[in-house]
Amino acid sequence: EAGVTQSPTHLIKTRGQQVTLRCSPISGHTSVYWYQQALGLGLQFLLWYDEGEERNRGNFPPRFSGRQFPNYSSELNVNALELEDSALYLCASSLGGAYNSPLHFGNGTRLTVT
Amino acid sequence: KNEVEQSPQNLTAQEGEFITINCSYSVGISALHWLQQHPGGGIVSLFMLSSGKKKHGRLIATINIQEKHSSLHITASHPRDSAVYICAAKGSARQLTFGSGTQLTVLP
Repeated sequence: EAGVTQSPTHLIKTRGQQVTLRCSPISGHTSVYWYQQALGLGLQFLLWYDEGEERNRGNFPPRFSGRQFPNYSSELNVNALELEDSALYLCASSLGGAYNSPLHFGNGTRLTVT
Repeated sequence: KNEVEQSPQNLTAQEGEFITINCSYSVGISALHWLQQHPGGGIVSLFMLSSGKKKHGRLIATINIQEKHSSLHITASHPRDSAVYICAAKGSARQLTFGSGTQLTVLP
């Protein structure tokens, strides 16, 4: 069984640019979660998608957005990049209907903003 | 004050030692996760528990809902256990609030 896959693995962008990160969940998983791990700040919840809809978002500005496609893969978009957006972005998936379904994490995308 | 507090922040142990990492939370939760993060960032979910105790190999996780406290124990620690261990409290709408992590180093 393929795990959660994220692309790209590394990315370097310039302040003000836009970036799109991608995540493919485990087959059969309908829920996708995005997390940010900035240096010194720990993991923070960004977004939760299930069945194509945004179900919850963390305390992040609107320039962080995303979507989930009919095949349950997901994109995270960050507009107007700022230096403090440099972080590891992690995606996780779980079975959508089961409230306490275990999470499976991808290996993350490391974004550097210069 | 963080809603999820972990201790210790750093832990160095000799191979074979029994290790305990603690997690206290102040939010209402539906479940608590213990995660393991290796250098490079990959995260593995070790346990998800909402009551009692779970065991997997040399790892044991316990939770006391009344005291809002959870512990992760590693028996007979090994250098390959060296990683960052993170607890995360699952609240409403599946939002996880993470502890700051415990960096564990097990020396041979």
